[in-house]
Amino acid sequence: AQKITQTQPGMFVQEKEAVTLDCTYDTSDQSYGLFWYKQPSSGEMIFLIYQGSYDEQNATEGRYSLNFQKARKSANLVISASQLGDSAMYFCAMREGNSGYSTLTFGKGTMLLVSP
Amino acid sequence: NAGVTQTPKFQVLKTGQSMTLQCAQDMNHNSMYWYRQDPGMGLRLIYYSASEGTTDKGEVPNGYNVSRLNKREFSLRLESAAPSQTSVYFCASSHQDLKETQYFGPGTRLLVL
Repeated sequence: AQKITQTQPGMFVQEKEAVTLDCTYDTSDQSYGLFWYKQPSSGEMIFLIYQGSYDEQNATEGRYSLNFQKARKSANLVISASQLGDSAMYFCAMREGNSGYSTLTFGKGTMLLVSP
Repeated sequence: NAGVTQTPKFQVLKTGQSMTLQCAQDMNHNSMYWYRQDPGMGLRLIYYSASEGTTDKGEVPNGYNVSRLNKREFSLRLESAAPSQTSVYFCASSHQDLKETQYFGPGTRLLVL
């Protein structure tokens, strides 16, 4: 079974609208972390936001927020007021455990296109 | 700070040739990682190093070797390149803190003919 599932291969949104990118995860660990990365067409991987499994509040970073629903094992990325520069590939990733030896498992990504 | 740097940016190899991808970070991170990215596959971990002097296999280690030269540098070697190793290779590093956020280099595009 996939550990990280991103069911939306592509999403379209108009500029200034909000958009939600879906991510569900599968783990039996109690301690884990969830990450979102952005990959623009230039290719670099840019860290956006982090949510720890014990964090009670949803993480926010500027226009990015993470809708964390632990019981449903979902960690959706919400981008408010989309901008043309938000057009990119977005990856959800999970870190299981917290030992210093833990690694990331990535989903296959969602391509977001923002239109004027 | 340059963050994570990778060389070369692009490389073309013939089947059977060898090469080493270089990675360096200036963030004083303990952990370093090598991933490959193939179309439709997301990123997959090849090898990682939790600290200087240690390396461990990831999900797809076959055909690769790594060296953690010192705390800053982590290299990936292809001894005998195969067309299946055509990919984009990313190096990343992280602190061993609560989040362990990984920060990525710009990537190396490798084409094996």
